[in-house]
Amino acid sequence: KNEVEQSPQNLTAQEGEFITINCSYSVGISALHWLQQHPGGGIVSLFMLSSGKKKHGRLIATINIQEKHSSLHITASHPRDSAVYICAVSINFGNEKLTFGTGTRLTIIP
Amino acid sequence: DTAVSQTPKYLVTQMGNDKSIKCEQNLGHDTMYWYKQDSKKFLKIMFSYNNKELIINETVPNRFSPKSPDKAHLNLHINSLELGDSAVYFCASSPPRRSGANVLTFGAGSRLTVL
Repeated sequence: KNEVEQSPQNLTAQEGEFITINCSYSVGISALHWLQQHPGGGIVSLFMLSSGKKKHGRLIATINIQEKHSSLHITASHPRDSAVYICAVSINFGNEKLTFGTGTRLTIIP
Repeated sequence: DTAVSQTPKYLVTQMGNDKSIKCEQNLGHDTMYWYKQDSKKFLKIMFSYNNKELIINETVPNRFSPKSPDKAHLNLHINSLELGDSAVYFCASSPPRRSGANVLTFGAGSRLTVL
């Protein structure tokens, strides 16, 4: 069993829908990352969280340390949000030695 | 442009050859990483260097040898390439956590195909 589990694995939605992607982990962590991998392959770091909630534009990330769970929300989804979203956790405090989830493939239909 | 740059972007080679992938960052970050993404798109840490010092070395065959001539460069050399080494290799860098910034930055990836 992977230390980082994401759900759903695949998600297809209509443009404008509110999107939620979930991440659960089984180890103690120093931080949790949400990454976006575009169809072209590039990886972009969206958020790094160690508690609470962060917002950037239409993206919101939350984390519950006690429950070992994080969610990534996308409001007013758009076809350009179509990508693979990857949750990753860092156990160490000094660096980003990440353990990755298997990713959620999001497709937004116009 | 400030970025993490990897070369080459694509590399096709025969089994048994030795090859290198270079990585450079001009972000002033202290820590650099190599990650491997396999055919199932699963990412895994391979190595990490902090200010030229090796700090993470996961269970990676000895055929893989990272080299960091300075804190802006982390190169990956692979000896005696095997079919299973075919993957996309991502370089990344990050600043110290105490900076408070979320700036884990990835290179564009180097797709290695071993024939």
